[in-house]
Amino acid sequence: DIQMTQSPSSLSASVGDRVTITCRASQGISNYLAWYQQKPGKVPKLLIYAASTLQSGVPSRFSGSGSGTDFTLTISSLQPEDVATYYCQKYNSAPQSFGPGTKVDIK
Amino acid sequence: EVQLVESGEGLVQPGGSLRLSCAASGFTFSSYAMHWVRQAPGKGLEYVSAISSNGGSTYYADSVKGRFTISRDNSKNTLYLQMGSLRAEDMAVYYCARARDILTGYYDYWGQGTLVTVSS
Repeated sequence: DIQMTQSPSSLSASVGDRVTITCRASQGISNYLAWYQQKPGKVPKLLIYAASTLQSGVPSRFSGSGSGTDFTLTISSLQPEDVATYYCQKYNSAPQSFGPGTKVDIK
Repeated sequence: EVQLVESGEGLVQPGGSLRLSCAASGFTFSSYAMHWVRQAPGKGLEYVSAISSNGGSTYYADSVKGRFTISRDNSKNTLYLQMGSLRAEDMAVYYCARARDILTGYYDYWGQGTLVTVSS
């Protein structure tokens, strides 16, 4: 099975900072990559699919890029409501496994 | 409005069984694959199982293969997960999620989750 890794595992940044999270697949997955946001005590929410397509209703400060094995989620200007854990997920084949998550909080 | 509502939460002893349900509404249930994902306390998301739109194909994570059975009733718009031979490591919040395909779908809608506690 393809393994997904994320870095960093956690980060602390100031409001307004640009934040970047990296996701790496152990094999190429083309652009079959999704990003989810899970706020504390809440259900995961789809942010981005096809590596860079923003899900409807998601603020434009979120963006995704990458293809093959290396992917990035960027928050252009961190807001207090962005405090959450972010997960990448590969979905080119079963099992649609997730990365271990990146916890983002405010400095 | 798309809604997925899980039920079946419970406390079960190691080795025991439990059935989870996920009632779907607001979309054509029979057109979508459905998946189960779980999250152990304080841990990340783990893929559990998936079923195709017509129920003809299923997939399981190695960690649950042979112990869990996924099924669906399209006439009732309901997804099921029959869990058996439960272990402490199966304790988690279980989410159902909608995907376009059993093998290649991302999850655009999730249920609110239901807690499975395995303890003697």
